[in-house]
Amino acid sequence: ETGVTQTPRHLVMGMTNKKSLKCEQHLGHNAMYWYKQSAKKPLELMFVYNFKEQTENNSVPSRFSPECPNSSHLFLHLHTLQPEDSALYLCASSQDPGGDQPQHFGDGTRLSIL
Amino acid sequence: RKEVEQDPGPFNVPEGATVAFNCTYSNSASQSFFWYRQDCRKEPKLLMSVYSSGNEDGRFTAQLNRASQYISLLIRDSKLSDSATYLCVVNGYNKLIFGAGTRLAVHP
Repeated sequence: ETGVTQTPRHLVMGMTNKKSLKCEQHLGHNAMYWYKQSAKKPLELMFVYNFKEQTENNSVPSRFSPECPNSSHLFLHLHTLQPEDSALYLCASSQDPGGDQPQHFGDGTRLSIL
Repeated sequence: RKEVEQDPGPFNVPEGATVAFNCTYSNSASQSFFWYRQDCRKEPKLLMSVYSSGNEDGRFTAQLNRASQYISLLIRDSKLSDSATYLCVVNGYNKLIFGAGTRLAVHP
């Protein structure tokens, strides 16, 4: 399924690097999400965007900076990350953010911080 | 009380067995319910929506009990390929809330 695509699939970076994760959805949805999933842990919601406006920031540290230029694209800019930030980062989209419709996920970016 | 609670498992069952998972939710105003499947190190994938009247998709049956605030997933004739973590998802407070998942391991 190519409804939600994420790049890169894997990323290894040092703690002082700056990198960005990219997400694109081809489903015509209005809401997009970033989730973090650490090994053997549940999904943690990070950010929610609706019509490219941020509607939720779940107390995420400022070293994670999201950007949503339009309803189809979502970025997560990374800067000065810590080893505990190593995780699977998942992007999702849905028709609206209210929870009436299911979310569709991308394949995720597996991030490792050295 | 967690907003969405699931037994983490693992449920270890032989091929061909029938297995059922329950999930309880705390918000009585919730209106939308879903089951997702997540394979190891992969993204969650929508398995099925859960309707008030219950619904069936092949070997999978989902049911909703509003009075007791739980949803269930029944898998009949388990296959090795059913081994995964099953996430219960409920809408509440204007967003979707994901459970931590129930792990299923089907063995030969």
